[in-house]
Amino acid sequence: AQKVTQAQTEISVVEKEDVTLDCVYETRDTTYYLFWYKQPPSGELVFLIRRNSFDEQNEISGRYSWNFQKSTSSFNFTITASQVVDSAVYFCARPNTGNQFYFGTGTSLTVIP
Amino acid sequence: KAGVTQTPRYLIKTRGQQVTLSCSPISGHRSVSWYQQTPGQGLQFLFEYFSETQRNKGNFPGRFSGRQFSNSRSEMNVSTLELGDSALYLCASSLETGNNEQFFGPGTRLTVL
Repeated sequence: AQKVTQAQTEISVVEKEDVTLDCVYETRDTTYYLFWYKQPPSGELVFLIRRNSFDEQNEISGRYSWNFQKSTSSFNFTITASQVVDSAVYFCARPNTGNQFYFGTGTSLTVIP
Repeated sequence: KAGVTQTPRYLIKTRGQQVTLSCSPISGHRSVSWYQQTPGQGLQFLFEYFSETQRNKGNFPGRFSGRQFSNSRSEMNVSTLELGDSALYLCASSLETGNNEQFFGPGTRLTVL
């Protein structure tokens, strides 16, 4: 299987600190997509971003930013000025065939007020 | 637009029983995927249906089956329940199959006693 690895199991930060969540992926494809999802305590996965392998530009959306580096097979996610509402489990994922997604094991982020 | 809905939200069954879970995708979405989430195995892909046809299947035993109806609603069935089937079952819908962002429902929490 072409894996997605999230080495950080749990992270705790104090509110307003910046935090980076790491994601390393394996692929034999030349064209591929990568995703990040957030799972708050309610349980429903929330889509955050989709990136394709052609576009290595960093992307910023409000307090969220993503750093995609093909050379290191990484797709890292940074939250700037973290807030308590950011507390959740974050998953990195990539599709295999169709909509069959491989998900990483997730990083549980706790933001302490 | 209404989101993905799953029924029931919670279910308690005993070993050997069977169960049927239902998923209604976002209106206009033709692809429905199912995932099993457990603390030990994380998020694992069960199967994907697109236009009433199973497109992909994960590595689960034949006790797990599904179907999709002409209105894109989907059901999954688990027969001869085992204790290890206790999990959160998530349904996701997307417009098309292949590299598309998937929108997840709140899940069905199945407990097998």
